[in-house]
Amino acid sequence: AQSVTQLDSHVSVSEGTPVLLRCNYSSSYSPSLFWYVQHPNKGLQLLLKYTSAATLVKGINGFEAEFKKSETSFHLTKPSAHMSDAAEYFCVVSDRGGGSARQLTFGSGTQLTVLP
Amino acid sequence: DTAVSQTPKYLVTQMGNDKSIKCEQNLGHDTMYWYKQDSKKFLKIMFSYNNKELIINETVPNRFSPKSPDKAHLNLHINSLELGDSAVYFCASSQSGTWNNEQFFGPGTRLTVL
Repeated sequence: AQSVTQLDSHVSVSEGTPVLLRCNYSSSYSPSLFWYVQHPNKGLQLLLKYTSAATLVKGINGFEAEFKKSETSFHLTKPSAHMSDAAEYFCVVSDRGGGSARQLTFGSGTQLTVLP
Repeated sequence: DTAVSQTPKYLVTQMGNDKSIKCEQNLGHDTMYWYKQDSKKFLKIMFSYNNKELIINETVPNRFSPKSPDKAHLNLHINSLELGDSAVYFCASSQSGTWNNEQFFGPGTRLTVL
């Protein structure tokens, strides 16, 4: 069984300050982990993914995340927030269990607000 | 070109009606999915489907049925619509074979049941 917990439902930062969106996961197997972003009235877009290679993963738009097995965490960070980063962010886990069609388990989402 | 497309974008209908949402992907993927996103933005898998296997989330009512005329299409048919079916429905696709492949999402269909 797998699950993911996003620790903050809302995060507000000022433009130009760092962003931290927290995610903890639970998995029976070695997981793959993803961060997706959803802008208002849009579909989901992949920001980055961890697939058992380097634990520090760099994604699009300056985002990165670090896989920490000992803490079962996969927090998303960005050094400097931009107004266009305002969106809903989803942490997602997928593991080796299940049928041949792999399924993703989504966190409940974190709404990021960027203040001018 | 749009990778995963859905039609319609908005769907407003009365309780008890039957409706379909269409999904097409031009990525050559062999696995497609339907997700439901509720008013609290929570996303939940409804179905995953490839040429060999349909996996149904056991919490999905049997009023919902996926129909796949070919590998590039996975339509969602809903019978006897209920108020609680109001949500945004997302189609997605991926290439199976490895368990860590990215899923590509469509823009969503906002269903409102009156």
